[in-house]
Amino acid sequence: RKEVEQDPGPFNVPEGATVAFNCTYSNSASQSFFWYRQDCRKEPKLLMSVYSSGNEDGRFTAQLNRASQYISLLIRDSKLSDSATYLCVVNPRYNFNKFYFGSGTKLNVKP
Amino acid sequence: GAGVSQSPSNKVTEKGKDVELRCDPISGHTALYWYRQSLGQGLEFLIYFQGNSAPDKSGLPSDRFSAERTGGSVSTLTIQRTQQEDSAVYLCASSHGQGLSMGANVLTFGAGSRLTVL
Repeated sequence: RKEVEQDPGPFNVPEGATVAFNCTYSNSASQSFFWYRQDCRKEPKLLMSVYSSGNEDGRFTAQLNRASQYISLLIRDSKLSDSATYLCVVNPRYNFNKFYFGSGTKLNVKP
Repeated sequence: GAGVSQSPSNKVTEKGKDVELRCDPISGHTALYWYRQSLGQGLEFLIYFQGNSAPDKSGLPSDRFSAERTGGSVSTLTIQRTQQEDSAVYLCASSHGQGLSMGANVLTFGAGSRLTVL
């Protein structure tokens, strides 16, 4: 079983739509969680860290559910520029310098 | 530096040649990582450095791949006798790597080195 699993998509949504992605992780000892964004032929860039209480940054909301071992990313009022691959990243408590990456969820926002 | 710098940005080489890829991490970051990403695929972990030591090199695909880090800063990934299947983007990332007291251990990536083996 993979440490981190994501639906590869693609999610095809119209501009203005709300879209949500989930990411499940297998190790309950996971400590830190992140969402990265990767544009085509570019490097991954940090979108947001995910805090236990959930957090919001503009149109983006991240949630953590430790009981069910998943994190989610909600994008409201989608823009064309949101089209990218979204990577879920998990950092375990037992190894501070280890990172597990999901394979990414592709989002296409259409006019 | 302000960000993670990688060079060259693009490298085209002939099968059988050796290549060196360089990474200059964010100043003060003790942890440095190399990943590989083939077209349309996810990130493949290669090796991790803490300072100049490599406690995890489990992702190196063969003994043709090696990496070193000197002065706790710049790292070089060397691929000997390149093969066509080595063609990929090689991404370097760094993080502060010094425990939760320093805040979340966030990875910052360089722009990558795109390797094409003919």
